[in-house]
Amino acid sequence: DVQMTQSPSSLSASVGDRVTITCRASHSIIDYLHWYQQKPGKAPKLLIYAASSLQSGVPSRFSGSGSGTDFTLTISSLQPEDFATYYCQQTYSTPRTFGQGTKVEVK
Amino acid sequence: EGQLVESGGGLMQPGGSLRLSCVASGLTVSGTHMNWVRQAPGKGLEWVSVIYSGDNTFYADHVKGRFTIARDNSKNTLYLQMNSLRDDDTAVYYCATQYKYGPRGAFDIWGQGTMVTVSS
Repeated sequence: DVQMTQSPSSLSASVGDRVTITCRASHSIIDYLHWYQQKPGKAPKLLIYAASSLQSGVPSRFSGSGSGTDFTLTISSLQPEDFATYYCQQTYSTPRTFGQGTKVEVK
Repeated sequence: EGQLVESGGGLMQPGGSLRLSCVASGLTVSGTHMNWVRQAPGKGLEWVSVIYSGDNTFYADHVKGRFTIARDNSKNTLYLQMNSLRDDDTAVYYCATQYKYGPRGAFDIWGQGTMVTVSS
C-alpha cells in the first residue's frame, strides 16, 4: 500500500497568511495526488486534482505542486472561510489512501 | 452537476448487518466509478471500497470479506452491504464518485454521509 504522510498535522495562522501543507508518498505516485478541504460536519470538497489542477469553482488562492513522492498545497492568502482540515489522497494504486489530515486553525 | 444522497445508517450491535444506499442524480452510477469512504468520529478519511464502471470491485483490507459493494443501475443507486459489524466500523460513511477524471482520478462528487454506530 502507498502510505501518505502529511505535515504538519495542525497549524495556527492568521487571515492573510501564506499557508503551506506538504504530503509525502511512500513511493512514486506520479501526479495522482489530490487535495480536499473538509469543514466540521460536512463532506470533503475537492480543491486540487492531479497535483496541480484547480477544481472548477475553487478560488485561485489555492494551488498545488509536486510530482513523484513530494507534494505541496499552498493557500496564498488565508481567508476566514479557509479554516478547515485538509487531506491529500493518492489514486495511483488501490487502496486509495489519504493523508492523516492537516487542521488549519485561527492563530 | 451530479448529486449523491446516502441513507441506511443507524445503531447496530456487533456482529450485525446493515445496508447503506447512495442514490445518484445528474449522473449514472453505471457509467462512473463509485467509492465508499468512511470517517470515524474525530478521525481522518479512510477509503473503504470501489466499484468501477466495468464492474471490477476492490476493498480495503479491514473490510474485505465482510463488506460488499454493488449497484442497481435501474435505481441509479450504489450500495454497501456491511456484515459482521465491529465496533471499529463506527463512522460516517460517504459515497463519492470519480465522475470527471477517470478511474485514477479525484473524488469530485461526494454525498453528505450517513452515520453508522456499532455498539452493544
